[in-house]
This record gives sequence, structure tokens and C-alpha cells, in this order.
Amino acid sequence: EVNLLESGGGSIQPGGSLRLSCAASGFPFSYYAMTWVRQAPGKGLEWVSVINAFGTRTYYADSVGGRFTISRDNSRNTLYLQMNNLRAEDTATYYCVRDHYDSGTRSGDYFEHWGQGALVTVSS
Amino acid sequence: DIQMTQSPSSLSASIGDRVTITCRASQNINTYLNWYQQKPGEAPKLLIYTASTLQSGVPSRFSGSGSGTDFTLTISSLQSEDFATYYCQQSYYTPRGFGQGTKVDVK
Repeated sequence: EVNLLESGGGSIQPGGSLRLSCAASGFPFSYYAMTWVRQAPGKGLEWVSVINAFGTRTYYADSVGGRFTISRDNSRNTLYLQMNNLRAEDTATYYCVRDHYDSGTRSGDYFEHWGQGALVTVSS
Repeated sequence: DIQMTQSPSSLSASIGDRVTITCRASQNINTYLNWYQQKPGEAPKLLIYTASTLQSGVPSRFSGSGSGTDFTLTISSLQSEDFATYYCQQSYYTPRGFGQGTKVDVK
């Protein structure tokens, strides 16, 4: 059974940094691209970032580019999201998501498996 | 970036109703369109991918259609467990944008 478990969420002041982790199990982690999707309280889903299976290609939403860094450690079956210079508008539940394919950008990809989410609150 | 627009933003329906949600892409996305269902406090769940392929385990009352820029999610006979918010998502380009969501609640 695929399991994705996020950790590292919490409350942080504006301008601060936080690193989310996602521990994956139940599938060969190094075969799949991984994505972060976030959801502000009471709002819709927002695609944040993707990393390919090898960890060699990354892509970001314009809203987080230059501040967030996605990475992975295939030896530890773990996905990361380093979030710097956090803003109030980054307040959201962050979901770790497994892509169906390995590239992260292949047309026709879809998100079968989601974690339960980690809440990040940015407030002074 | 491709913009995804869903309509309506919300709708009220009764058990047994046929429900239709539409999603429009700002550019041609072929059939690279996915649908997700989300209930309060839960992670989204994949319903349909590539416009019309039903994800394993999803009831057959759910169906999807469309290509190019216009897509539809249909629930043929609404059940109590279907009251939720539904999102479309394009998977033709990166970033993989979502629609703003359609909330289906009790009439």
C-alpha cells in the first residue's frame, strides 16, 4: 500500500524558513516523480512544485519560484520542500503527491496518491 | 500558464439527481484533463484521468468527457457520499493548474 507521510509543518513568522518532509513507502520511490500541492484554508488546490524521479529536474509555480526548493533523497525514500522567505499567503496545507510517471512533465500524468497534508501557518 | 475555469462554482442537488460540472481550459489541452473529488478534512481523490478514464475503484456513476478546451464531469445519479468539492486539472503543460473547484451540496 502506498503511503505518503508529511512532516515539518507548523507556525512561522513572515520571512522565516521551514522544511517539509514526506516519507514515502509501499512503492519504489526512485521510479516516480513527486509533486507538492497546497491548499490555503477554505480555498482551492494550487500546484506548487514537481521533481522528476532522478531528482535532476525541478519546476515551480511562479508564486513560490526563487523562495522554495524541492528535493529528494531516493536512498531515504523522502521528498523535501525547503520554504524560505515565507509570506502570509503561503499559509496552507501542503500535500505530498506521487505522480503516475517518472518525468514530472509528461502529458497525461495524474495524481493517484496523496498524503494527508502538513499545515503551514505564516503569521506574526 | 494555462488557466482552468470551472462552472458552476457551487450547486445544490438532491439524491438521485444528474449533476454536470464543466471545466474550460484557456488553451487546447487535448484530453489531458483530470478530475478529483475532495471532502472536508481529507486529501483529494482521483476520479477520472485523461478526460474519460475512470480510476480503479471509482463508481461507474461518474463519467468524464471532452477534448481540446471543454470538458465535463457527470454524476449520473447523485449519492449521499458524492457531496463534496470537485476539481479539474490539466496535465498537458507544467505547471499543472487546477480549476477553482465546484462544491456540490444538499438542496
